[in-house]
Amino acid sequence: RKEVEQDPGPFNVPEGATVAFNCTYSNSASQSFFWYRQDCRKEPKLLMSVYSSGNEDGRFTAQLNRASQYISLLIRDSKLSDSATYLCVAISGGYNKLIFGAGTRLAVHP
Amino acid sequence: DAGVTQSPTHLIKTRGQHVTLRCSPISGHKSVSWYQQVLGQGPQFIFQYYEKEERGRGNFPDRFSARQFPNYSSELNVNALLLGDSALYLCASSLSTDYQPQHFGDGTRLSIL
Repeated sequence: RKEVEQDPGPFNVPEGATVAFNCTYSNSASQSFFWYRQDCRKEPKLLMSVYSSGNEDGRFTAQLNRASQYISLLIRDSKLSDSATYLCVAISGGYNKLIFGAGTRLAVHP
Repeated sequence: DAGVTQSPTHLIKTRGQHVTLRCSPISGHKSVSWYQQVLGQGPQFIFQYYEKEERGRGNFPDRFSARQFPNYSSELNVNALLLGDSALYLCASSLSTDYQPQHFGDGTRLSIL
């Protein structure tokens, strides 16, 4: 079983739609969590950190459920520019080792 | 301010050769990590260095090695290249090793023929 698992998608949604991505992690000792965005053939870029209390950044909301070992990302009012792969990331192991899921592809169409 | 810089951008090698990839972290960042990303997968952790010492190693063979220099830049070396080593190699830097997000360079795309 992979340490971080995501639905690979693709999620095909129209502009303006709300879309949610889910992610599960297997290591209960994981300390910190992030969502990264990766455009085709580009490097991953930090989208946002994920906290148990939930956090919001504009149209993006991230949530962590430690009891269920579950992380989510909600995108409201999708834009064409949101089309990318979204990577769920956990940190564990006593040092700053990022453990990535395989990514969820999002395609927003007009 | 410059972000994480990597060189070269692209590289083509043949099986059995060796390769050296280079990375300069964001100014002030003392930790550098290396990741390998094959098509369709998320990045996989290879090494982490902090203050010139190896702090972590992923599940990669001994053909992979790295080091960090006094100016915090880093090199990743891969010997006896295999076809399966074809991937995007990403370098990331962070201030330290305390559960911080990392910032990635553009990567080096390595193709093995």
